[in-house]
Amino acid sequence: DVKVTQSSRYLVKRTGEKVFLECVQDMDHENMFWYRQDPGLGLRLIYFSYDVKMKEKGDIPEGYSVSREKKERFSLILESASTNQTSMYLCATSETRVQYFGPGTRLLVL
Amino acid sequence: GQQLNQSPQSMFIQEGEDVSMNCTSSSIFNTWLWYKQEPGEGPVLLIALYKAGELTSNGRLTAQFGITRKDSFLNISASIPSDVGIYFCAGRDSGGSNYKLTFGKGTLLTVNP
Repeated sequence: DVKVTQSSRYLVKRTGEKVFLECVQDMDHENMFWYRQDPGLGLRLIYFSYDVKMKEKGDIPEGYSVSREKKERFSLILESASTNQTSMYLCATSETRVQYFGPGTRLLVL
Repeated sequence: GQQLNQSPQSMFIQEGEDVSMNCTSSSIFNTWLWYKQEPGEGPVLLIALYKAGELTSNGRLTAQFGITRKDSFLNISASIPSDVGIYFCAGRDSGGSNYKLTFGKGTLLTVNP
């Protein structure tokens, strides 16, 4: 079974804080993804990475950055959190056409 | 980004009933995926489809890759209370990125015991 873990299930941060969301996978997959999920808007791709140190912007990269120093770990960084970044954040990995998701991190920015 | 048209948006059914939902796209897809998401959790893969016309089952769930390659269907037979959740379709555009999926907005299923 593919195992994708996210460092926190729930986070509460204050506006302006720097926030790190961590994702780790144990299947040696090349590709990793960060999405946010909001009611009525569905899943939206923030960034993805197809190799170590390689990254590409998704559909909504503004206000976010990512880091992939090791194959198994993909981090999402909110440089200065804002209230409109309150959301459910989902990490996913893939080797072929199928993506496997982690349990999600629900982030609240006050 | 592109969105898939998934319908219905929500369903409220009685235990034991069968359920059908579908997704359509404006472009040709080479992969269709169906996921289930329970409250507070991440989506879990149910069925993956790779060829036009393919029909695949997973227990009481059956999904089909439409012949036109622009749609897919998911059926759940004899629903039970634990089927409650949001069901998402996702697909890979034949002319698009090798990495990216397009997602439907989900069908919220409620099963009344």
